[in-house]
Amino acid sequence: AQSVAQPEDQVNVAEGNPLTVKCTYSVSGNPYLFWYVQYPNRGLQFLLKYITGDNLVKGSYGFEAEFNKSQTSFHLKKPSALVSDSALYFCAVRDPQLDQLIWGAGTKLIIKP
Amino acid sequence: DSGVTQTPKHLITATGQRVTLRCSPRSGDLSVYWYQQSLDQGLQFLIQYYNGEERAKGNILERFSAQQFPDLHSELNLSSLELGDSALYFCASSVGERWGDQQFFGPGTRLTVL
Repeated sequence: AQSVAQPEDQVNVAEGNPLTVKCTYSVSGNPYLFWYVQYPNRGLQFLLKYITGDNLVKGSYGFEAEFNKSQTSFHLKKPSALVSDSALYFCAVRDPQLDQLIWGAGTKLIIKP
Repeated sequence: DSGVTQTPKHLITATGQRVTLRCSPRSGDLSVYWYQQSLDQGLQFLIQYYNGEERAKGNILERFSAQQFPDLHSELNLSSLELGDSALYFCASSVGERWGDQQFFGPGTRLTVL
């Protein structure tokens, strides 16, 4: 079965430090991978996606993600965290059989000043 | 602002009741998706409509139904409500019917069932 895992419920990072939010997936065929962010009391916002091409994908707000086929991972990264990056981050993978997105449980990112 | 609107923002009702949530997609978007977000279940895909037709079904209960109208707005009907239906309900829209498209989410409707 297709699945996506975000192994960390919460990630704490000091402002100015690099951040990584982890995502691993299991899907047959070539994966479509997505990251979305949810700020408090708001809907989800698209950050970036990988469908094909370069393994390093650049997205909104200075975020990027690296697709690693051998490790079946799609970790979200940012070189220097901002307090305003504090939010809930969701990884998602397209299930090619159902043609639907399978969503991770979300990772709460807390950036401390 | 994503361009997706949802009404109402908040809804408080009693068990056994029926409610209707409304969503207007971004201008030009033909697909509408409904999601339920709760603390214990996380984000669950319910159903997708594309240009008025049901396109994909997720974990939608039989007590729930949806439709997309000719003007492309969509409604999610929840009936025989239970305490466990209390959640945030999101609508999202995208240009096409395929799941490779970016989805634009509305602000959500918070449903509280007492």
